[in-house]
This record gives sequence, structure tokens and C-alpha cells, in this order.
Amino acid sequence: ETGVTQTPRHLVMGMTNKKSLKCEQHLGHNAMYWYKQSAKKPLELMFVYNFKEQTENNSVPSRFSPECPNSSHLFLHLHTLQPEDSALYLCASSQDQGRYEQYFGPGTRLTVT
Amino acid sequence: GIQVEQSPPDLILQEGANSTLRCNFSDSVNNLQWFHQNPWGQLINLFYIPSGTKQNGRLSATTVATERYSLLYISSSQTTDSGVYFCAVERWVGDDKIIFGKGTRLHILP
Repeated sequence: ETGVTQTPRHLVMGMTNKKSLKCEQHLGHNAMYWYKQSAKKPLELMFVYNFKEQTENNSVPSRFSPECPNSSHLFLHLHTLQPEDSALYLCASSQDQGRYEQYFGPGTRLTVT
Repeated sequence: GIQVEQSPPDLILQEGANSTLRCNFSDSVNNLQWFHQNPWGQLINLFYIPSGTKQNGRLSATTVATERYSLLYISSSQTTDSGVYFCAVERWVGDDKIIFGKGTRLHILP
């Protein structure tokens, strides 16, 4: 138990669906991250929020839309995804951006059909 | 951008053995972390170690920032040590953000 939870743990969606991934951290951290882990590729940073403000968008396609309503919650809204978007999506948090260790959630395994 | 290389890519050991995992990076970094990803996908932070040496039980890590590498030592391996070990580096300037290596897959045989 790392103090970071993610729901759902598994998600299957069609290319025309809209779904959202949720991340919640109970650590009092100020920075939250979304990562994508595809088969045979390194983890890729997608977005970073620090004190609810987006500080990084790593050239992510607009079909992925993040939302951070407060420092404890982070969402990733998904729409019109492609099969190649199938991956493990990981959320992480840290005390602040850049200078502290990150704590990861268990991930959401997404399959796009 | 900065390159992160981990070696070896795969490692199979008998329970009780010791191992050394290496992470090389191509430019100066401000942060370096080691993670363990278990077979169910959970990533656990092992060390936050931009420089120097740290120890935590059977695990220890050393980062030599001037020579651009870090080592993770696992002693007296247990089957629960199986999984993938990732090194991640971070730079606070330029286009490089948090960059993960491809990992070392470790399998400990009982």
C-alpha cells in the first residue's frame, strides 16, 4: 500500500467510448503525475500537476485530457482512443515536483478494442 | 535528450545469490530514483539517490554523478525480489523531464 489509489484497475473500451481514470493520493503531496507503460517500452511521462496547476504536457495527443480539481485527486479523461493506446496507466505523487521521491498507484490496465 | 541505459536487461539467479544492476545516463541529472515493479505491475520506490550511497536492508544503491552511473545491489536474493527494476532520472532544465530506463528483469529461482 503506497497511499496512492487508482480506479478502475482494469478497463476495456471501444474506440468511440468516453471513459475516465481516477487517481487519489492520501499522502498530502502537492505534485501528481500520469505515466503510460506500453509493452516493451519504457515508462513515459504524460502529465504533471503541481499545486493543481499543469506544469508538464509531454506532447500527449488531445484524446487524453487530464484534470486536477485538487492536490489529492487526478483524472485522465479518455475519448476516441486508438488500439495502440492500450497500456498500463500509472499515477504517481510526490511531495513537490522535482525534488522528492515518487509514490505510484497500482495502475489501470486499459484495453482499447 | 538524455539517454538512460540499464544492464543487464535480464537476470536469472538462484535464491540467496547477490546481484548488481547498473544504470548509465548520458548527461548530468538532478535526480535519480530506483524502482521495483512487481509481477502485478505495482511500482515501489526503492531509493531516491541523486548522489552518494544508501542502504535499506538487503538493498543498497550508489550513484556516482560525476561518472554518470548508478548501481543497485541486492544481497541474499529472495523470490519476492523478482520483477523489473527501473532507474529514472530527472533534469530540471531543458526538454528532458523524468526519463525511465527500460529496466532489468530479475527472476529469482527458489
